[in-house]
Amino acid sequence: QKEVEQNSGPLSVPEGAIASLNCTYSDRGSQSFFWYRQYSGKSPELIMSIYSNGDKEDGRFTAQLNKASQYVSLLIRDSQPSDSATYLCAVKGSGGSNYKLTFGKGTLLTVNP
Amino acid sequence: GAGVSQSPSNKVTEKGKDVELRCDPISGHTALYWYRQSLGQGLEFLIYFQGNSAPDKSGLPSDRFSAERTGGSVSTLTIQRTQQEDSAVYLCASSLEGSGRTYEQYFGPGTRLTVT
Repeated sequence: QKEVEQNSGPLSVPEGAIASLNCTYSDRGSQSFFWYRQYSGKSPELIMSIYSNGDKEDGRFTAQLNKASQYVSLLIRDSQPSDSATYLCAVKGSGGSNYKLTFGKGTLLTVNP
Repeated sequence: GAGVSQSPSNKVTEKGKDVELRCDPISGHTALYWYRQSLGQGLEFLIYFQGNSAPDKSGLPSDRFSAERTGGSVSTLTIQRTQQEDSAVYLCASSLEGSGRTYEQYFGPGTRLTVT
C-alpha cells in the first residue's frame, strides 16, 4: 500500500510570513509530485508540480523535492489570508501505476491577518 | 478554456435508490479518473479510464459501483442500491494522457451525494 503522509495541522501563520508544508511518501519509484489547494467546500486545484530534485518556484510558491529522502515540501512566501485552505500532497505511482495519484490527507493552513 | 464539469452538483437520494453521476472532461483529455472524498478522509481513487477503456477499476468499493465512458469523453458513475456510507463528494479529474510522469490531473467541482 503506497502511502503519502502530511501533518494534518492546523498550521497557523501570520500574514506576510512563510508557510512551510511537508509531505513524505513511501513509493521510492515515484517520479511526479503535485500540490493541490482545496478551499472549504470546493474541489482540489492544482498549484504546483515537481519532477526533479531541487526547488521549483512559481510566484510566491516554491516546491522542493528530495527523492533520496522521499520528501516533498511547499513553501508559501508572503502568506495572505486568501491562502487559508487545505493543501494536499499527491504522488504519482510508479511502474504500472504511473497514472494513479495517491493523496495525503492534507494540511489545513490558516493565515491570520 | 472550459474545465472539467460534473452534474449534478448536489444529489440527495433515499437509501436503496440508484444514482448516476456525470463527468465531462476537458476537451482533448484522453484520461479520466473518479475519486471519492468522505468527510475527514483523504481522496480515494475509484477508477481510471484511458479512452473508453478502464484499465484500473481497483478502487471501486463494491459491485454496486460501476462506471462507463463513451466516445472517449463523457463518463457516468452509477451507484446501485445506495447505502448511507456512500455519502461523500465524488470528484472527477482528467488529464491529457494517463501514463507518464508529467500529465497533470485537473478536477471538476464534484458531486455531493447524500444518502438518507
